[in-house]
Amino acid sequence: DQQVKQNSPSLSVQEGRISILNCDYTNSMFDYFLWYKKYPAEGPTFLISISSIKDKNEDGRFTVFLNKSAKHLSLHIVPSQPGDSAVYFCAASANRDDKIIFGKGTRLHILP
Amino acid sequence: GAGVSQSPSNKVTEKGKDVELRCDPISGHTALYWYRQSLGQGLEFLIYFQGNSAPDKSGLPSDRFSAERTGGSVSTLTIQRTQQEDSAVYLCASSPQLAGGRETQYFGPGTRLLVL
Repeated sequence: DQQVKQNSPSLSVQEGRISILNCDYTNSMFDYFLWYKKYPAEGPTFLISISSIKDKNEDGRFTVFLNKSAKHLSLHIVPSQPGDSAVYFCAASANRDDKIIFGKGTRLHILP
Repeated sequence: GAGVSQSPSNKVTEKGKDVELRCDPISGHTALYWYRQSLGQGLEFLIYFQGNSAPDKSGLPSDRFSAERTGGSVSTLTIQRTQQEDSAVYLCASSPQLAGGRETQYFGPGTRLLVL
């Protein structure tokens, strides 16, 4: 049973445009959400997070939006750059001491 | 400063053999996770150690998989009687889990396991 779902395995976006990566979750107890970025042959690196008490968190070109009623979050990257090409993982946890569950990832291709 | 390190970086083994994968977390991090990423798949949770609490083993795929964390630091993931479907990248991550906050994980580079 997948608790964190990333339904788009890949996404292609023109350089300079907005990239929107989506994530859905099923566990209503999740209260903390994270996005990680992974390049080939490297471990994932933390990108941005959001607590369930917020509906938006922004860090430079990256913004995460959380819609608790829809159990949906999204990562917006604007403007998209070639170095953004990577696999993006959505992750969530239910409380401070609980494990973090990852989605299957979305491969983002930034087109020149 | 030193990040999470894993060894070996690559491991090729024959079906039926046992393998041990090592993870050195960031010093002082109380939480340690093991994940597996099979070809074309996402990050599959395996096991989670948090301080002195009993580990969360709910992600281990079979009883051939086990993990230990000695002295709250180094962790070893052991796979007994390896099967070809065990071939994957095994990732370790650690997290400081400071009181009152929710800390992010820091991942190692992974161990690429190939079972022939």
